[in-house]
Amino acid sequence: DAGVTQSPTHLIKTRGQQVTLRCSPKSGHDTVSWYQQALGQGPQFIFQYYEEEERQRGNFPDRFSGHQFPNYSSELNVNALLLGDSALYLCASSLRGTDLETQYFGPGTRLLVL
Amino acid sequence: GQQLNQSPQSMFIQEGEDVSMNCTSSSIFNTWLWYKQDPGEGPVLLIALYKAGELTSNGRLTAQFGITRKDSFLNISASIPSDVGIYFCASGGYQKVTFGTGTKLQVIP
Repeated sequence: DAGVTQSPTHLIKTRGQQVTLRCSPKSGHDTVSWYQQALGQGPQFIFQYYEEEERQRGNFPDRFSGHQFPNYSSELNVNALLLGDSALYLCASSLRGTDLETQYFGPGTRLLVL
Repeated sequence: GQQLNQSPQSMFIQEGEDVSMNCTSSSIFNTWLWYKQDPGEGPVLLIALYKAGELTSNGRLTAQFGITRKDSFLNISASIPSDVGIYFCASGGYQKVTFGTGTKLQVIP
């Protein structure tokens, strides 16, 4: 079992550009959540996808959008990048209806915006 | 929004020493989670607590869910170098997790 995988591992972009990050959930999981972790801080919830729809959303602007595919994998898109979007982006997968402890995190994609 | 405050923010300890860290909130929670994050990795769950007053162990780690449901603590006994990392408390529902501010642990061999 490969666990949660994310790609790419690192990414450098410039202000105003757009970026797409990808996540493959752990085998058997159907729900994907995305988190942003700025340097020195705890992860902040962005949104969650289940059955290809956004189910919950944190306090993030519309520049942050996502998608879930029929195979449960997911993408996070960020438009009009700002310097403050530089962070580690974590994907977590879980099985709907189970306890929080079933949520597994991937290693993250580190995004640097110049 | 919900805020989870952890203390201490960072700590240096000698190998073999015991460690204690805690997490407080102004809100009541039904679940407390403790995670460890190594550099360049995602958080890994250490202990999950679901009942006020519950005391749970995982090897050298012990965590308790406060009676008021507004706090939790994590103890690490006989620390070893691989305990180095950032420890986060967390809570939430419907698989949406709110994380604390983190405690950075350094172990001196």
